[in-house]
Amino acid sequence: DAKTTQPPSMDCAEGRAANLPCNHSTISGNEYVYWYRQIHSQGPQYIIHGLKNNETNEMASLIITEDRKSSTLILPHATLRDTAVYYCILNFGNEKLTFGTGTRLTIIP
Amino acid sequence: DVKVTQSSRYLVKRTGEKVFLECVQDMDHENMFWYRQDPGLGLRLIYFSYDVKMKEKGDIPEGYSVSREKKERFSLILESASTNQTSMYLCASSLGGPTGYTFGSGTRLTVV
Repeated sequence: DAKTTQPPSMDCAEGRAANLPCNHSTISGNEYVYWYRQIHSQGPQYIIHGLKNNETNEMASLIITEDRKSSTLILPHATLRDTAVYYCILNFGNEKLTFGTGTRLTIIP
Repeated sequence: DVKVTQSSRYLVKRTGEKVFLECVQDMDHENMFWYRQDPGLGLRLIYFSYDVKMKEKGDIPEGYSVSREKKERFSLILESASTNQTSMYLCASSLGGPTGYTFGSGTRLTVV
C-alpha cells in the first residue's frame, strides 16, 4: 500500500472547524482514501472514505485534491468528543487496513 | 449497525498458558481481522480471514494462530502465552469493498 504522512498532533478550539491534512503522493489510481478515528480506550471507528470526488456525511467532509496526492478531513464544528487519534489510510477497498501512527487531535474548550 | 463483540474486555493469563480470544460479528461480513495495539507502535495486523476456514498471515503472526469455523466467529489463539504478548487486541470485520471496517471494543490481555 502507498504510504501516508500526517502531523503527529494538532489542537483545535471547540466549535471551530478541525482540518486534518494527509499527504499521499504515491497513491495509486484505484486506491481509496479512508479516515478512521480512535477515541481513548475504544476500537477505531470508520469516518469516511473517497476515491476522487469530495465526500460528505453526517460526521465529516473529505476533500481530495485533483491530483489525489493529498486530502483533508474536515470536522465542521469540533466538540470535546472529537478528541481522538485520526488515521488516514490508503486501501484498494478489498484487503487489510494498514494503520500508521495518525494525528492526535485535541479539542480545546 | 454492525456489531463486533469481543468476549472479554480484560484478561490476565500466566506465561505458558494457551489463550483463546473470541470475536463474533452479527452482519454476515466476509472478512475478519485481528490486530494488536501497543504504545508507540500503533495497530499491527496479526491475522485475517476472507472466508470460513481461510486464514492469511498479517504483519506479526509469530506466536499466534487463528480459527474460523463459522462465518461469524474468528478466534485468536496464543499457543503458549508470553509476557511480550501483553497488549490490547482488537478484532474487526468488513463486508469487503470500500465499505469500511467495524472494530470491537478490544481485549486488554496481561500475561504475567
